Amino acid sequence: AQSVTQPDIHITVSEGASLELRCNYSYGATPYLFWYVQSPGQGLQLLLKYFSGDTLVQGIKGFEAEFKRSQSSFNLRKPSVHWSDAAEYFCAVGSLYGNKLVFGAGTILRVKS
Amino acid sequence: DSGVTQTPKHLITATGQRVTLRCSPRSGDLSVYWYQQSLDQGLQFLIQYYNGEERAKGNILERFSAQQFPDLHSELNLSSLELGDSALYFCASSAQQGSSTGELFFGEGSRLTVL
Repeated sequence: AQSVTQPDIHITVSEGASLELRCNYSYGATPYLFWYVQSPGQGLQLLLKYFSGDTLVQGIKGFEAEFKRSQSSFNLRKPSVHWSDAAEYFCAVGSLYGNKLVFGAGTILRVKS
Repeated sequence: DSGVTQTPKHLITATGQRVTLRCSPRSGDLSVYWYQQSLDQGLQFLIQYYNGEERAKGNILERFSAQQFPDLHSELNLSSLELGDSALYFCASSAQQGSSTGELFFGEGSRLTVL
């Protein structure tokens, strides 16, 4: 069965600093991997996704993620964080022809000025 | 704006009551998914419908049921409500079953509070 682990429940970074949010997945076949962001009181918005090909994927809002099959990881990065990036971030795994996405527990990002 | 519409946005009710949450998927999307988000359980998949038929079930309680209508909107019915049912309920849609892109588009959720 698919599963996703986000080891960090909370992360605090200073505005302008770099960010890396960790995600490890468990899936027997080739995974489809996603990062979603949820701002307070809002739904989930897709930041980026990986299906195949280049293991470094670019998303919206300056985010990128790297798929590392050997480590079963799909970490999210941003070189310079803005105060508006404060939100909860969810990593998810799905599959081709799969029926659902399985989400991690989420990482709450706080940005200090 | 994802194009997925959920109503109501907020709902407060008492234990033992029954409520219905409604979801209109993005135009043209055939699949609808329901997720429950709570502090202790995180985002849990409840159920999926594709073009009116149930296709996958997750951690959905027997007190809960859903359906998808011919116009593709979906309703999630929650009955005999308990305090622990208080949560944010999300609807998501995708273009086809599973979708070759796997991407789900989420509504803003319906926040249910059971008192």
